[in-house]
Amino acid sequence: EAGVVQSPRYKIIEKKQPVAFWCNPISGHNTLYWYRQNLGQGPELLIRYENEEAVDDSQLPKDRFSAERLKGVDSTLKIQPAELGDSAVYLCASSRARGNQETQYFGPGTRLLVL
Amino acid sequence: DAKTTQPPSMDCAEGRAANLPCNHSTISGNEYVYWYRQIHSQGPQYIIHGLKNNETNEMASLIITEDRKSSTLILPHATLRDTAVYYCIVRVAGGGADGLTFGKGTHLIIQP
Repeated sequence: EAGVVQSPRYKIIEKKQPVAFWCNPISGHNTLYWYRQNLGQGPELLIRYENEEAVDDSQLPKDRFSAERLKGVDSTLKIQPAELGDSAVYLCASSRARGNQETQYFGPGTRLLVL
Repeated sequence: DAKTTQPPSMDCAEGRAANLPCNHSTISGNEYVYWYRQIHSQGPQYIIHGLKNNETNEMASLIITEDRKSSTLILPHATLRDTAVYYCIVRVAGGGADGLTFGKGTHLIIQP
C-alpha cells in the first residue's frame, strides 16, 4: 500500500510569509497527526485528528498555526506569519481507527527553512 | 517530559548484533514499550513493541527486564542501512491513537 504522502518536501521562505504543508494519509486511516521536529530533537505532536475532528490540539501554537482536515482524509497545516523559530521538519503520520495499540506510519516530512 | 533514558550515541560493527538499551524506571503497569527508528531525511518507522514478554519480529527483538524498568532492542545482524536514530517510547495501553512522546533517542552508527 502507498505510504503517507507529504508535499512539498522542502520549503524556503522569508519570515512573516505564510506557508502551507499538505498531507495525504494511508487509505483507510482515520487518525492523522502533525508533528514538528527541531534539529537534534525527537518529533513533538502538534495536533491529532480523528476523521475531520481535531481531538488534541493542545500543543498547536494557535496564534499563527492552523490546520484542517475537511473531508476526513487529506490535511493541511498552515503557518501565518512564519517566524525564524519555525524552521523545522513537519511530519505527518496516520493510523487506523482507535484501537488498543495502533502503529503510526510517518511520511517523509516537509523541511521548512525560514530566513 | 520523556519517560525514557537512552544513550545519545552508539557504534556497532556491521554484521554484529546491535544492542540498544533504554531505561524506563517509572513505567506503569499498563504502559507498553515501543521502539521507532528514524533514518536520515525520513520519517520515524515503527520497529516493535511489548508489554512484559520478550518480543521478536522480522526487524528486531525486544527484551524487557522482569521488573520492566529497562529494555533492550536487539538488531541481530546490523547492516549499514540500520544507521539511524532509535527512539524508545512508553505508551499507555488503550491509548492507541494518542500522539507519541519522543525523547532524543540513540544515534546508532554501523561501522563497515
